[in-house]
Amino acid sequence: QVQLVQSGAEVKKPGASVKVSCKASGYTFTNYYLHWMRQAPGQGLEWMGIINPSGGGTSYAQKFQGRVTVTRDTSTSTVYMELSSLRSEDTAVYYCAREGGGGIAFDIWGQGTMVTVSS
Amino acid sequence: EIVLTQSPGTLSLSPGERATLSCRASQSVSSSYLAWYQQKPGQAPRLLMYGASSRATGIPDRFSGSGSGTDFTLTISRLEPEDFAVYYCQQYGSSPYTFGQGTKLEIK
Repeated sequence: QVQLVQSGAEVKKPGASVKVSCKASGYTFTNYYLHWMRQAPGQGLEWMGIINPSGGGTSYAQKFQGRVTVTRDTSTSTVYMELSSLRSEDTAVYYCAREGGGGIAFDIWGQGTMVTVSS
Repeated sequence: EIVLTQSPGTLSLSPGERATLSCRASQSVSSSYLAWYQQKPGQAPRLLMYGASSRATGIPDRFSGSGSGTDFTLTISRLEPEDFAVYYCQQYGSSPYTFGQGTKLEIK
């Protein structure tokens, strides 16, 4: 079945970087854009960025420019989100989601990855 | 950036009642690229509606969406126990793809 499976929880110290993976299966990886969002504890959803798995082109929310990098590996149908210079406010659940195409919104979501930033 | 404002913040209703959730955009949402998601505790969001009024695959017909431009509504005609959750609207017509702050639908 169509699914996105993310890597496991991470605990990082302030100033470090984290790299979260999102492995796609059940569909043609290069046919659908993938997005990254995050959700701080008890808070709403925040869009971070997008990647076109076909050509690798990316676009990021201004808030994260310079700190986030999204890449993909077409050989393993996996997208990666790396966030650097971590601070306590980056503690959140990070989600990847597929944009369904044809005007359909984010139809498939990963299970989420908890990233905790603590000294 | 398009700011989405959802109201009310919390809605207290009983099973069987009708729920009406609102989402207002700070500027017009292009091509009605407005979506609604449901999120339950500890789970990822689930797509309910896209294009303002189209139901996603597998979503029951008690869910309906309407609106255009800057004003959008999600209606749940008869609440089932499993419908009590947090609902988010999202515009995906222009980057950044912003979300509303959410409406919590709780059991009265």
